[in-house]
Amino acid sequence: GAVVSQHPSRVICKSGTSVKIECRSLDFQATTMFWYRQFPKQSLMLMATSNEGSKATYEQGVEKDKFLINHASLTLSTLTVTSAHPEDSSFYICSARGSPYEQYFGPGTRLTVT
Amino acid sequence: AQKITQTQPGMFVQEKEAVTLDCTYDTSDPSYGLFWYKQPSSGEMIFLIYQGSYDQQNATEGRYSLNFQKARKSANLVISASQLGDSAMYFCAMRDGNMNSGYSTLTFGKGTMLLVSP
Repeated sequence: GAVVSQHPSRVICKSGTSVKIECRSLDFQATTMFWYRQFPKQSLMLMATSNEGSKATYEQGVEKDKFLINHASLTLSTLTVTSAHPEDSSFYICSARGSPYEQYFGPGTRLTVT
Repeated sequence: AQKITQTQPGMFVQEKEAVTLDCTYDTSDPSYGLFWYKQPSSGEMIFLIYQGSYDQQNATEGRYSLNFQKARKSANLVISASQLGDSAMYFCAMRDGNMNSGYSTLTFGKGTMLLVSP
């Protein structure tokens, strides 16, 4: 299957700082990328959908000013958690869609806010 | 109503046996796609198999097959000859609506934890 990379895999930051997570599709062009959040022992919760060159579409209840998403190219999307707080600590997973019938996930980023 | 229902929080199977993980879905769209993913303890989501609503045959990928029963709206995953490395969380997911739309998203079930014993 196609490869999606995510960086960093783990990050610890202090409360009030911002953290940027990168998601890259390595061997295909992804017109659409997705960002998910997963709490322990729970399913994936979609945060936002981003299409290359346009503004991200956020799910209800997700603060767009807090979770900034940029999809600058067909292979790169970034999620910036601004002014992070301990409740933002979670596992963040990006996903990239190559065709309507394929959707691949990155390895995830574990964010801990102290 | 939940779009994807996985009723088995956990399943146990012995190595080399087959196991079926249940998944039912709910949609009024005639066009949809069903996906199964495996999530080991490392956290990565591994794509296993895809079934389109118009596909006439059940999807198969190696030891994975999808038992697609459209009238019952079920899409059970069958793993044959289980291996210790199959121990993981398994998620069923669905996309419905316009499959070509960039805004058509995956909805996940709550997952089933599979434990394979020697």
